[in-house]
Amino acid sequence: NAGVTQTPKFRILKIGQSMTLQCAQDMNHNYMYWYRQDPGMGLKLIYYSVGAGITDKGEVPNGYNVSRSTTEDFPLRLELAAPSQTSVYFCASSYSHVQGDYEQYFGPGTRLTVT
Amino acid sequence: GQNIDQPTEMTATEGAIVQINCTYQTSGFNGLFWYQQHAGEAPTFLSYNVLDGLEEKGRFSSFLSRSKGYSYLLLKELQMKDSASYLCAPAFTGGGNKLTFGTGTQLKVEL
Repeated sequence: NAGVTQTPKFRILKIGQSMTLQCAQDMNHNYMYWYRQDPGMGLKLIYYSVGAGITDKGEVPNGYNVSRSTTEDFPLRLELAAPSQTSVYFCASSYSHVQGDYEQYFGPGTRLTVT
Repeated sequence: GQNIDQPTEMTATEGAIVQINCTYQTSGFNGLFWYQQHAGEAPTFLSYNVLDGLEEKGRFSSFLSRSKGYSYLLLKELQMKDSASYLCAPAFTGGGNKLTFGTGTQLKVEL
């Protein structure tokens, strides 16, 4: 299993540009999550999904959009990038609580700089 | 959000034992995870507690008191590679198994 994969690893955007951060998992997890982590801070939940076709906002959703057309993929879209979106973005996935162990597995992260 | 409190930094000596404490609001509590995060890397799962008591897993143990809103992570026989940030992450009811992460405790292991 590759686990959770994310692309790209690094990206520099100009203010106002858009991009999509890709995330895929091959563990057949129902649940997927997007977090951002600013230096010295904890992870903040941006969006999450409990299954294909179902997404919901987390703590800091403004400026982002997501879709979940398949169980495996959960892309994060940044529209009109702003310097405040400079951060490290982590995607994670897990089983649902009723399936047993539901720890979240994290991808390697995407380091995004907006200038 | 849920207030999660853990020390910002700790320093310990190789071979020693260190305890990292975490407190959280108890309303809607549904279990607590500990993650380890090395600099520049993704968090990795260490432990999960849902019932009161101590869970032991090799050199690492985690304790939970639900009524007190308190958990700790105990690291024994510290090694240099244990230098990392340790994230306390309680889960709360509300769907999606969402976790709320603390800012992490940066542990430095010295010779």
